[in-house]
Amino acid sequence: ETGVTQTPRHLVMGMTNKKSLKCEQHLGHNAMYWYKQSAKKPLELMFVYNFKEQTENNSVPSRFSPECPNSSHLFLHLHTLQPEDSALYLCASSQDFWGEEEKLFFGSGTQLSVL
Amino acid sequence: RKEVEQDPGPFNVPEGATVAFNCTYSNSASQSFFWYRQDCRKEPKLLMSVYSSGNEDGRFTAQLNRASQYISLLIRDSKLSDSATYLCVVEGQKVTFGTGTKLQVIP
Repeated sequence: ETGVTQTPRHLVMGMTNKKSLKCEQHLGHNAMYWYKQSAKKPLELMFVYNFKEQTENNSVPSRFSPECPNSSHLFLHLHTLQPEDSALYLCASSQDFWGEEEKLFFGSGTQLSVL
Repeated sequence: RKEVEQDPGPFNVPEGATVAFNCTYSNSASQSFFWYRQDCRKEPKLLMSVYSSGNEDGRFTAQLNRASQYISLLIRDSKLSDSATYLCVVEGQKVTFGTGTKLQVIP
């Protein structure tokens, strides 16, 4: 148990659906992240929130829409996704935004399949 | 050249063997280095930090070579439970993950 809870664990959706991924951290961290992990590729950073303000958007298509209502919660809203968006989506948190020797704590991830 | 490069493996080793992985990075200004472990279909978890002076935690030893821009992870007396993918992480102005090296420890 890393203190970062992600739901749902698995999600299957059609290209016209709208769904949301939820992440909650119980560690008192100030920074939260969304990562995408596709097969045989390194983790790709999607979004960063620091003190609930978005500090980074890594050229992510607008069909992915993040929301951070407070420092403990992070959402990823999905709509009109493509099959190539199928991947493991990981939420992470850290004490501060990429401070010196910043350690990331990951949630268990959502395995997303887009049909 | 990739920012962070790892041999994807798999490394198939017998129980009790010693195995070592390397990870090279391209940005000489990188400041912090880590090894994460990721089990199949699970999230990455921090294994250990990597320091210039070396870092040892039980059977695991991590080292940093700034001159040649690589970090290494040595696992002694491999256990079946060590089977996983080991991710190299380099932090500078941003955090960059390697693709991971898969280790399979065989009975």
